[in-house]
Amino acid sequence: LAKTTQPISMDSYEGQEVNITCSHNNIATNDYITWYQQFPSQGPRFIIQGYKTKVTNEVASLFIPADRKSSTLSLPRVSLSDTAVYYCLVGDPNNAGNMLTFGGGTRLMVKP
Amino acid sequence: NAGVTQTPKFRVLKTGQSMTLLCAQDMNHEYMYWYRQDPGMGLRLIHYSVGEGTTAKGEVPDGYNVSRLKKQNFLLGLESAAPSQTSVYFCASRNPGLQNTGELFFGEGSRLTVL
Repeated sequence: LAKTTQPISMDSYEGQEVNITCSHNNIATNDYITWYQQFPSQGPRFIIQGYKTKVTNEVASLFIPADRKSSTLSLPRVSLSDTAVYYCLVGDPNNAGNMLTFGGGTRLMVKP
Repeated sequence: NAGVTQTPKFRVLKTGQSMTLLCAQDMNHEYMYWYRQDPGMGLRLIHYSVGEGTTAKGEVPDGYNVSRLKKQNFLLGLESAAPSQTSVYFCASRNPGLQNTGELFFGEGSRLTVL
């Protein structure tokens, strides 16, 4: 049973804000939501992690509503170099038995 | 600080051959993972380890074995390679969450082709 559901692909243009939403209806009380970015021929790279409300760092913001059944990754003013696959994961970072499974990800294409 | 290092980076096998992929991390992480990624697909968890001497099955463990004899190393073995195991293999490591961490650190991947 997939823990997360994301759109398969999205297109955007340089300079626009991109919002990618992930559904996680079965999220557990202790689960955190983490987003990763993957470029071709590379391993995924951590972008941002949150538990509730809003988290912002130097590259992205993460919005989590009160029911935590979904989350939205927001990339401000994307550039061509943001073209990548974005994965949403949910899991308990303190749970030794946490398998940390990835879903299919969202393939973002940024056009000039 | 090398992070997570995978060897070899490329390998071609014939059906039925065996091989071992090595993952080494220098961050003193407790947890280590092996994933496979087929073209155009997401990552699927093969096996993982929550500490030295421990291993556990992930989503797609069949055809693979693992060992974690040393904390810094996690080995993935293919006893009898099959064409269906042609994939890119990624190793990752992390520590239990501290505040808002629990971040996975990935290696660069090992591309395996089974003919």
